[in-house]
Amino acid sequence: KNQVEQSPQSLIILEGKNCTLQCNYTVSPFSNLRWYKQDTGRGPVSLTIMTFSENTKSNGRYTATLDADTKQSSLHITASQLSDSASYICVVSVLNQAGTALIFGKGTTLSVSS
Amino acid sequence: NAGVTQTPKFRVLKTGQSMTLLCAQDMNHEYMYWYRQDPGMGLRLIHYSVGEGTTAKGEVPDGYNVSRLKKQNFLLGLESAAPSQTSVYFCASSLLFQETQYFGPGTRLLVL
Repeated sequence: KNQVEQSPQSLIILEGKNCTLQCNYTVSPFSNLRWYKQDTGRGPVSLTIMTFSENTKSNGRYTATLDADTKQSSLHITASQLSDSASYICVVSVLNQAGTALIFGKGTTLSVSS
Repeated sequence: NAGVTQTPKFRVLKTGQSMTLLCAQDMNHEYMYWYRQDPGMGLRLIHYSVGEGTTAKGEVPDGYNVSRLKKQNFLLGLESAAPSQTSVYFCASSLLFQETQYFGPGTRLLVL
C-alpha cells in the first residue's frame, strides 16, 4: 500500500536552533517528492521538489534530502525563525495506470519559540 | 495576480442544507483540485478537473459534486450536508497534472 509517514508528529524548538523533519514512504513506482509549508489558517505552499535522481535541494534556510534507495527524505531547517512555525507536509508522486497520483503525509507541526 | 482564491472563507450549515464553494484561479492553469483536510489526517482529494468541462473523482468523492464550466473556476457542491463533511476545504491548481500545486486559503465548513 502506498503510504507516506512523517515524524515527529510535532516539534518545539527555540528560535535560532536547527531541526530536521523526516519523511518515509512506501510509494512505488516513485516519481517525485515535494515538501510543502502550511501556515496556520492558510493553504500549503511548495518549498522543494526532488526527482529520483536528485538527493538534495535547497530553498533558502530549507534543505531537503532524498535517499531513493531507503525511501527516506528529510527537511532540514537552519537557524529557525518564529515565522517557521507551521505544518510541513511531505507529498510523494506515484505513477499508476491512471497517470500520476499524490500521496500526502499527515504533516509535522513545528513550533518555534523565542 | 491573486493566484487561487476561495469563497466563502467560513460557513455554518445545518444538516441537510446545500451549498456551493467557489474556487477561482488567474494563472491559466489547466488542472484544478478540491481537497479536504481534517485533524490528524493528510489532505485528501475529493474531485479534480483536467480541463474546462471535464471532472473526475478523487479519493473521497461521496457526497460532493463539482463543475468546471469555465477554465478559471472550479465549483464544489454539497447537495445535502452531513456533520461528517465538517472540514477545511482547499482548492488547488497546477500547470501540469499533479505537479506543483498552488493552493487557495481554504474554506472552513461547519455542519451542525
